[in-house]
Amino acid sequence: EVQLVESGGGLVQPGGSLTLSCAASGFTFSNYWMNWVRQAPGKGLEWVANIKQDGSEKYYVDSVKGRFTISRDNAKNSLYLQMNSLRAEDTAVYYCARDQGVTKYFQYWGQGTLVTVSS
Amino acid sequence: DIQMTQSPSSLSASVGDRVTITCRASQSISSYLNWYQQKPGKAPKLLIYAASSLQSGVPSRFSGSGSGTDFTLTITSLQPEDFATYYCQQSYSIPRTFGQGTKVEIK
Repeated sequence: EVQLVESGGGLVQPGGSLTLSCAASGFTFSNYWMNWVRQAPGKGLEWVANIKQDGSEKYYVDSVKGRFTISRDNAKNSLYLQMNSLRAEDTAVYYCARDQGVTKYFQYWGQGTLVTVSS
Repeated sequence: DIQMTQSPSSLSASVGDRVTITCRASQSISSYLNWYQQKPGKAPKLLIYAASSLQSGVPSRFSGSGSGTDFTLTITSLQPEDFATYYCQQSYSIPRTFGQGTKVEIK
């Protein structure tokens, strides 16, 4: 059974840093692109970043470029999101999601971890 | 960036109704269009991928159609468990943008 379990969320002050983790199991992690998607309270879904199987390609939404870094450790079956210079508008539930198929849909999602940026 | 526009933003419907949600892309995305259902406090669930392919385990009352810029999600006979928010998403290019969502409420 495919499982994605996020952790690392919490309360952080504006300007602070946080690292999220996503532990993957039930599939060969190193075979798939992985993504982070977020959802601000009461708002819609926003794709944040993704990373290629070997980590050689990474892409970000403009609003987090230069502040967030996506990475992975295939030996540990884990995906990460290093978030720096956090702003109030980064407050959201953060989900990891696995790419699937030629058309790259998100078949599997984690349960999400809440990041709150507030003083 | 490709903008995804859903309509309506919300709708009220009764059990048994036929419901149609539309999604328009700001440029052609071929069939790189996916639909998700989300219930409060839960992660999104994939319903339809590649515009019209039904995800395994999803009831056949859900269907998707369209290509290019205009897409439709149809629920043929709304069931109580279908009251939720629905999102379209394009996977044609980065960033993988979502529509703003359509909340389906009980009339």
